[in-house]
Amino acid sequence: AQSVTQLDSQVPVFEEAPVELRCNYSSSVSVYLFWYVQYPNQGLQLLLKYLSGSTLVESINGFEAEFNKSQTSFHLRKPSVHISDTAEYFCAVRPFGGAQKLVFGQGTRLTINP
Amino acid sequence: NAGVTQTPKFQVLKTGQSMTLQCAQDMNHEYMSWYRQDPGMGLRLIHYSVGAGITDQGEVPNGYNVSRSTTEDFPLRLLSAAPSQTSVYFCATRTGVEQYFGPGTRLTVT
Repeated sequence: AQSVTQLDSQVPVFEEAPVELRCNYSSSVSVYLFWYVQYPNQGLQLLLKYLSGSTLVESINGFEAEFNKSQTSFHLRKPSVHISDTAEYFCAVRPFGGAQKLVFGQGTRLTINP
Repeated sequence: NAGVTQTPKFQVLKTGQSMTLQCAQDMNHEYMSWYRQDPGMGLRLIHYSVGAGITDQGEVPNGYNVSRSTTEDFPLRLLSAAPSQTSVYFCATRTGVEQYFGPGTRLTVT
């Protein structure tokens, strides 16, 4: 079975400051890794994903995440946040093979203060 | 192309009532699933389906039924609502590695 732990339930930062949202996972098999974003009163949208290859993946709006296999982590970072980044962020994993069910972390609420 | 649609957006039920949450997709995806979202718990899988006529249980299936008679529709039935089922419910489809979520149904059981 898989499990995902997001180490911070809430992260407040000031606009234009850097941010890191932490995600650790546990799995006995190889997994795909994802970050989803949920803006207020909306559904979830895929932000970025790691499938294979380069361990650093980037999104179109400036976020990046790095897969660290030895530490079983997939932390999300942005060097300079904007008010519009205010949202809840979910880390998720999906195992190779089998039913390939997506397992989510508890979520991190990112609040950007002006 | 509407993607994944869910109805209703909001619903209030009394304990013991039954209802069906509707989910429809127009992307011809075989895989569909239902999640519930509760504060501090992320999203938890209720039931999923890998194609018409095939359904299976997820992490938290108790109190919910599903069926999949067509590729397009995947309704979630609450047989006898309980306050513990107060939550936001999301339907999702999947193709390849990418999962697409509906806008959600906010359900309150009093």
